[in-house]
Amino acid sequence: DVKVTQSSRYLVKRTGEKVFLECVQDMDHENMFWYRQDPGLGLRLIYFSYDVKMKEKGDIPEGYSVSREKKERFSLILESASTNQTSMYLCASIEGAYGYTFGSGTRLTVV
Amino acid sequence: GENVEQHPSTLSVQEGDSAVIKCTYSDSASNYFPWYKQELGKRPQLIIDIRSNVGEKKDQRIAVTLNKTAKHFSLHITETQPEDSAVYFCAASTTGFQKLVFGTGTRLLVSP
Repeated sequence: DVKVTQSSRYLVKRTGEKVFLECVQDMDHENMFWYRQDPGLGLRLIYFSYDVKMKEKGDIPEGYSVSREKKERFSLILESASTNQTSMYLCASIEGAYGYTFGSGTRLTVV
Repeated sequence: GENVEQHPSTLSVQEGDSAVIKCTYSDSASNYFPWYKQELGKRPQLIIDIRSNVGEKKDQRIAVTLNKTAKHFSLHITETQPEDSAVYFCAASTTGFQKLVFGTGTRLLVSP
């Protein structure tokens, strides 16, 4: 089974802090994604990456950046955390026609 | 870009009843339509998917139908059980099963 691991399950950060969310997959997938999940809004795509050092904006990239220096690792960066970035963050990877595999999520609270 | 609408937002049924969740999409180029189930506190998991060259697909008590002309697809769960209680998300993709656009989710509650 593909494993997608998110380093933190819960995070509490202060407004203005720089926040790093880490995601690692163990199946050499080229495509990785960051979504945020909010009640009533579903899952919204923040950024995705098709290969090392390649990144594309999703639907809500404002306030976020990403880094993919190695194929297995895709990091989401909140440059200056704000309270409206309090959310559940889900990483996913995909290869071929088998659908996404999601990580277990990071619930971020910005105070 | 693609937009996916999902209804209803909540659905309550009695055990043994059928449940139907409907989604519409806007981009006629979309060609892949998965459904995910998310139990409380867990990650979304793929339960069934359908591609645009197929009209219907079944897997035991779960089926998905696709109407390309009307740009809508539906999830059907028969003989519902309490363990079917979860949030269900539909999604659509136009780029070879990548970059999914999700619906807003349906909370299904199956009462014993």
